Amino acid sequence: AQTVTQSQPEMSVQEAETVTLSCTYDTSESDYYLFWYKQPPSRQMILVIRQEAYKQQNATENRFSVNFQKAAKSFSLKISDSQLGDAAMYFCAFNDMRFGAGTRLTVKP
Amino acid sequence: DTGVSQDPRHKITKRGQNVTFRCDPISEHNRLYWYRQTLGQGPEFLTYFQNEAQLEKSRLLSDRFSAERPKGSFSTLEIQRTEQGDSAMYLCASSLSFSYNSPLHFGNGTRLTVT
Repeated sequence: AQTVTQSQPEMSVQEAETVTLSCTYDTSESDYYLFWYKQPPSRQMILVIRQEAYKQQNATENRFSVNFQKAAKSFSLKISDSQLGDAAMYFCAFNDMRFGAGTRLTVKP
Repeated sequence: DTGVSQDPRHKITKRGQNVTFRCDPISEHNRLYWYRQTLGQGPEFLTYFQNEAQLEKSRLLSDRFSAERPKGSFSTLEIQRTEQGDSAMYLCASSLSFSYNSPLHFGNGTRLTVT
């Protein structure tokens, strides 16, 4: 069974700075998808970024980018130029069904 | 696109009672998922449907839980003989996909409190 591990329960970043959230996973599959979702306090979970395992190029979405290391089964999220609105819980997910425990990101003004 | 809708938003029930939650996915979405989320944890997969077929059910899901999606549109999740350990946020999500590449669209969730 696939497992997803987020080893950082909490992270903090200064506004305008860069922060990286870690995620590792375990699978025997060769083709799969990885996602980062954001859950602001008391609000809906929304997609941040998606990576297809067969693509070597790391995905980017504006200030958000990933460092996907397939051999190491690592999928980290980098947030550049952090904004106050980035404060939320961030979840790493494997395909549709497996989520990590989350990382709570605090952005300091 | 009116988003994924869940009803009710909050439910308080006494232990031993049955509860039913409803989820209306985005209309053209063929996949519908149920998750359970407890405080400080990530969503825990419960089950998913592709159209009206229930394709996978978590082994963690006891026999007290049942889900249906009779016409491939809305879905219901029923919990029988509720226990205090069932207290959680129940999330519904939908996607338009025949594989895993489509992102999930989540509802606001139903918060269940069992007293």
